[in-house]
Amino acid sequence: KAGVTQTPRYLIKTRGQQVTLSCSPISGHRSVSWYQQTPGQGLQFLFEYFSETQRNKGNFPGRFSGRQFSNSRSEMNVSTLELGDSALYLCASSSGRWTGHEQYFGPGTRLTVT
Amino acid sequence: DQQVKQNSPSLSVQEGRISILNCDYTNSMFDYFLWYKKYPAEGPTFLISISSIKDKNEDGRFTVFLNKSAKHLSLHIVPSQPGDSAVYFCAASSMYSGGGADGLTFGKGTHLIIQP
Repeated sequence: KAGVTQTPRYLIKTRGQQVTLSCSPISGHRSVSWYQQTPGQGLQFLFEYFSETQRNKGNFPGRFSGRQFSNSRSEMNVSTLELGDSALYLCASSSGRWTGHEQYFGPGTRLTVT
Repeated sequence: DQQVKQNSPSLSVQEGRISILNCDYTNSMFDYFLWYKKYPAEGPTFLISISSIKDKNEDGRFTVFLNKSAKHLSLHIVPSQPGDSAVYFCAASSMYSGGGADGLTFGKGTHLIIQP
């Protein structure tokens, strides 16, 4: 089975712009979660989608949003980018019914905001 | 407030010896624990998990121990191999008690270095 794929792998944006990141889960997985990884805060949960519905949400501002399509592919969007949004954004998919089950991660998208 | 703590940022172990990575948690709602390994420029890779009804789970060279009263878990790797050099993350969820509403809560990781 192919793993979780994320596009693009690297992105450079300017403060104030918006960005959309894409994630394709492992075939058959219906749950997709997004995480932000920074050197200071480590890996932090953004949100989780299951069957096209946001099931859980972490403690991030409303500038961070996402959606899931009927084929389970997911996108996350960050509007009005700030310098502090520079991070590695990781997508993870799971076949489990519960969010806290084993998740399989993609390679991440490295976002740099200048 | 960090709910999952990995107090050792790095650990150096000789090849063939046992590597022990430690993790402490504060949230008593956590009932499912996982270990992930991460190489540079790759996403974390799931290694092993344990639910709170067990105190030990083994998979090949990897064993996870859970001490609920101490809110402590550890990952043992025996024997350690050069390919084990990576950053190891401990993660926790309230999968059964809370439906995993906060996803996985991760520690900040321990960089394991296996010396030849």
